[in-house]
Amino acid sequence: DAGVTQSPTHLIKTRGQQVTLRCSPKSGHDTVSWYQQALGQGPQFIFQYYEEEERQRGNFPDRFSGHQFPNYSSELNVNALLLGDSALYLCASRSGRGAFSYNEQFFGPGTRLTVL
Amino acid sequence: AQTVTQSQPEMSVQEAETVTLSCTYDTSENNYYLFWYKQPPSRQMILVIRQEAYKQQNATENRFSVNFQKAAKSFSLKISDSQLGDTAMYFCAVLQGGSEKLVFGKGMKLTVNP
Repeated sequence: DAGVTQSPTHLIKTRGQQVTLRCSPKSGHDTVSWYQQALGQGPQFIFQYYEEEERQRGNFPDRFSGHQFPNYSSELNVNALLLGDSALYLCASRSGRGAFSYNEQFFGPGTRLTVL
Repeated sequence: AQTVTQSQPEMSVQEAETVTLSCTYDTSENNYYLFWYKQPPSRQMILVIRQEAYKQQNATENRFSVNFQKAAKSFSLKISDSQLGDTAMYFCAVLQGGSEKLVFGKGMKLTVNP
């Protein structure tokens, strides 16, 4: 089992550009969440996808958008990059099944985005 | 809104000793979950232990245990017999029942010295 995988590992962009980050969930998982972790901070929730729809969103502007594909993999897109978007972007997956319990989220290793 | 506070930014401990990491949180909900995550230099966030708020018994996972004080909204992590591999950032997090939004604290850097 490969666990949650993310690509690329590192990325350098300039202000104003657009970026796409990719995530493949752990086998058997259908729910994907994205987090932004600035240097020296805890992760902050961006949004969550289930059944190819955005189900919940954190306090992030519309420049942050996403997509989930039929195979449950997901993309995070950030438009009009700002210096403040420099961070580690974490993807997490879990099984959405089980209405009355919470299934553990597994995190990927992250993508380090640097905006110059 | 939920908040998580980790007041100790950094701690160090000798190998084989016991260390306690503190965490306080705030939530208006009765149904929620609490977590401790470990993030080593490899960056991969790993779940250490979880606690369901409705359970009075403190969770234990091998060398890791928690002291859950619901009324005080306190959730501390005790690491017994510390090992070099425990060196990492530790994050406390809260999840409201029915939500997908994990709310993390700022983290605490733990160093285990030989």
